[in-house]
Amino acid sequence: EDQVTQSPEALRLQEGESSSLNCSYTVSGLRGLFWYRQDPGKGPEFLFTLYSAGEEKEKERLKATLTKKESFLHITAPKPEDSATYLCAVQFNQAGTALIFGKGTTLSVSS
Amino acid sequence: DAGVIQSPRHEVTEMGQEVTLRCKPISGHNSLFWYRQTMMRGLELLIYFNNNVPIDDSGMPEDRFSAKMPNASFSTLKIQPSEPRDSAVYFCASRGTGKRSPEAFFGQGTRLTVV
Repeated sequence: EDQVTQSPEALRLQEGESSSLNCSYTVSGLRGLFWYRQDPGKGPEFLFTLYSAGEEKEKERLKATLTKKESFLHITAPKPEDSATYLCAVQFNQAGTALIFGKGTTLSVSS
Repeated sequence: DAGVIQSPRHEVTEMGQEVTLRCKPISGHNSLFWYRQTMMRGLELLIYFNNNVPIDDSGMPEDRFSAKMPNASFSTLKIQPSEPRDSAVYFCASRGTGKRSPEAFFGQGTRLTVV
């Protein structure tokens, strides 16, 4: 059973067309939820960490939010350079444990 | 800092051969992770170390896989013998000690092809 589920698997947007990516998790004792961006042929690049329900973080056109069982990555007025795979990961229970990743959402933004 | 450095970037080997992947973590980081990424399964944790000690190797697929961290600046992941189903991108990541900095930083990965 997957502990971290991301949806949709793929998303195609027109430039300027805002949307949201979802990450839901089943683990208990969440210590942190993480969003990463991955470009083809590269390693995941860290974007945000969220620690508690109600928390929000922003970076340029991206805003991440967290509830008790899911997180959203909102993309406002996306540009083609936002095209990438967005990965969600959770850390649970104890400090020092590893991140468990979802399978990602591949975003394509066309001009 | 140069970030997490992995070598080689690409490896093509024949089935049955030994493969060694290498990783240099970010200086000062005390946790190191090995992940494997495939289209079907996404990013899977193989093993991680805290302060050079293996903490959880439950993700290692089978005895053909082994990992070592002889010091704080170097780790290896070895596959012996390799099989075609081991073909994937292998990532190394490291993390610092701060409680408020739990994010991991990834290398560029090693793309392994076993033919």
